[in-house]
Amino acid sequence: EAQVTQNPRYLITVTGKKLTVTCSQNMNHEYMSWYRQDPGLGLRQIYYSMNVEVTDKGDVPEGYKVSRKEKRNFPLILESPSPNQTSLYFCASSPRDFSIDEQFFGPGTRLTVL
Amino acid sequence: RKEVEQDPGPFNVPEGATVAFNCTYSNSASQSFFWYRQDCRKEPKLLMSVYSSGNEDGRFTAQLNRASQYISLLIRDSKLSDSATYLCVVGDNYGQNFVFGPGTRLSVLP
Repeated sequence: EAQVTQNPRYLITVTGKKLTVTCSQNMNHEYMSWYRQDPGLGLRQIYYSMNVEVTDKGDVPEGYKVSRKEKRNFPLILESPSPNQTSLYFCASSPRDFSIDEQFFGPGTRLTVL
Repeated sequence: RKEVEQDPGPFNVPEGATVAFNCTYSNSASQSFFWYRQDCRKEPKLLMSVYSSGNEDGRFTAQLNRASQYISLLIRDSKLSDSATYLCVVGDNYGQNFVFGPGTRLSVLP
């Protein structure tokens, strides 16, 4: 089944404890992206990647890192999480060009930073 | 001013009603436009892309007005299953950065 998977789905952690949210897609998509969703603000793009080893900042990259060593994986890293990073996070992938093709979203990761 | 704004909602309509959502965007260089649907606590899913000439998919019709920087979504003969939040999405001229509107929630009532 074609899909985008994220792990973990739910995470409660404490300030300053490094964490990684994994994202994997099995559709051989070139483009991948991370978003966070907060009430009243909609989804905001954190980072995106056009291909392996090619990543770029979105609108709200502060406090996050990403890597794209393999086409299928695009982990989101929070080196020192803070409470303002409590949010619902979505990973998305697209086959070629976000401007033309559909973005497929993972099921989301609900993160709480205490 | 927010980059993408939508009707604040929520919209509560009876089954069978016609409902229209509006979306405005501030970046005149935007090149791609979409409507996504998001069910409660679930991931967004593409409803339809929006083309300059307007497009229709069954009960759903999307329109784009570049001059006014305005996008609309019309849902005819609303079904209970149409209850969801509708997200307007605008892509930049490079096709890499995407801005989502805050969404408009629709509840179709029996």
